[in-house]
Amino acid sequence: DAKTTQPPSMDCAEGRAANLPCNHSTISGNEYVYWYRQIHSQGPQYIIHGLKNNETNEMASLIITEDRKSSTLILPHATLRDTAVYYCIVKIFGNEKLTFGTGTRLTIIP
Amino acid sequence: DARVTQTPRDKVTEMGQEVTMRCQPILGHNTVFWYRQTMMQGLELLAYFRNRAPLDDSGMPKDRFSAEMPDATLATLKIQPSEPRDSAVYFCASGPPSGRIHEQFFGPGTRLTVL
Repeated sequence: DAKTTQPPSMDCAEGRAANLPCNHSTISGNEYVYWYRQIHSQGPQYIIHGLKNNETNEMASLIITEDRKSSTLILPHATLRDTAVYYCIVKIFGNEKLTFGTGTRLTIIP
Repeated sequence: DARVTQTPRDKVTEMGQEVTMRCQPILGHNTVFWYRQTMMQGLELLAYFRNRAPLDDSGMPKDRFSAEMPDATLATLKIQPSEPRDSAVYFCASGPPSGRIHEQFFGPGTRLTVL
């Protein structure tokens, strides 16, 4: 699976959009981008995934660049409950193993 | 709201003792994963099963760890004998056979402390 690079930490004001970047410059054509988050003292939670098109669900939006070498997770209106560690993971669909990196610690500021 | 459950939530034991952690996957899910999280190593996959059969346990120390699925509603992770370096939070996750197949649903974890 391709390696990902994320900033170790970010702050975002409550109510603003939180934009979390992820670099995956070695991504292969059949690898998907997945995002999970882990709120303190809880298990990780799936957020969203995508292959090459932008995706949106009730939690977030995922923007993948045209060359697929990077992506951005967008939380449109961040709340205090969005404070968590966010993990960007790249893997082949069908390979069920999730390899977690160090993620980005997102803090939402009141 | 279906959830993965894990017991116990917290376990404190002494070095050398046997530890058994249990996981109840979401009903109907056919894939079960065991992860371990420490400050130093982060989240690591230990083993996973599909339809109760072990598919990959390459992340698990074989000499002291064992994982089983006695039935579709129960997965166990056993450490015997336990060592202080096993202190970690152990997460179980399950995945569905269809529908939201891209997702793994995680339990709340078992915090293990080995003294």
